[in-house]
Amino acid sequence: AQSVTQLDSQVPVFEEAPVELRCNYSSSVSVYLFWYVQYPNQGLQLLLKYLSGSTLVKGINGFEAEFNKSQTSFHLRKPSVHISDTAEYFCAVSEVNRDDKIIFGKGTRLHILP
Amino acid sequence: GAGVSQSPRYKVTKRGQDVALRCDPISGHVSLYWYRQALGQGPEFLTYFNYEAQQDKSGLPNDRFSAERPEGSISTLTIQRTEQRDSAMYRCASSLNPRGGEQFFGPGTRLTVL
Repeated sequence: AQSVTQLDSQVPVFEEAPVELRCNYSSSVSVYLFWYVQYPNQGLQLLLKYLSGSTLVKGINGFEAEFNKSQTSFHLRKPSVHISDTAEYFCAVSEVNRDDKIIFGKGTRLHILP
Repeated sequence: GAGVSQSPRYKVTKRGQDVALRCDPISGHVSLYWYRQALGQGPEFLTYFNYEAQQDKSGLPNDRFSAERPEGSISTLTIQRTEQRDSAMYRCASSLNPRGGEQFFGPGTRLTVL
């Protein structure tokens, strides 16, 4: 079984500052990794995903994440945040080669300070 | 349609009543997933379908919960004899490619059981 840990429930950061949202996962098999974003009063939207290949994955809105197998991490980063990045961010995993469920973390709420 | 739609968007019901939540996936998508999201938590897997076949219902909390997708398109999640603890956001997602493919989420149905 897989599990996802998002170490921070809330992250405040000043506008135009860099941000890193941390995610660690646990699995006995190979996994796909995802970051989803939920803007206020909206549904979940995929930011980026890692399936295979390059460990650095670039997503929408200037976000990127790096898969680190040895540390079982998939941290999300953005070099300069904007007020519009205010949202809740969910890290998630699913098992490779199975058309199965996605296991989500509890989410990290990103607060952008003016 | 352009995206995944869910109805109703909000449902308030009295304890003991049955409710039916509808999901209309993106046309042509093979897989359909149901998740439940409690306040302050990430989405939690309930069940999923490939075409009309229910592949995994391990996440359904108990036998009051059931789901169907009889023609491989629209799906209904039914909760019988609702309880207050069933109050949550119920999210539906669909994907074209079930193995590592992006899951597109609907706006959710907010269920409140009084």
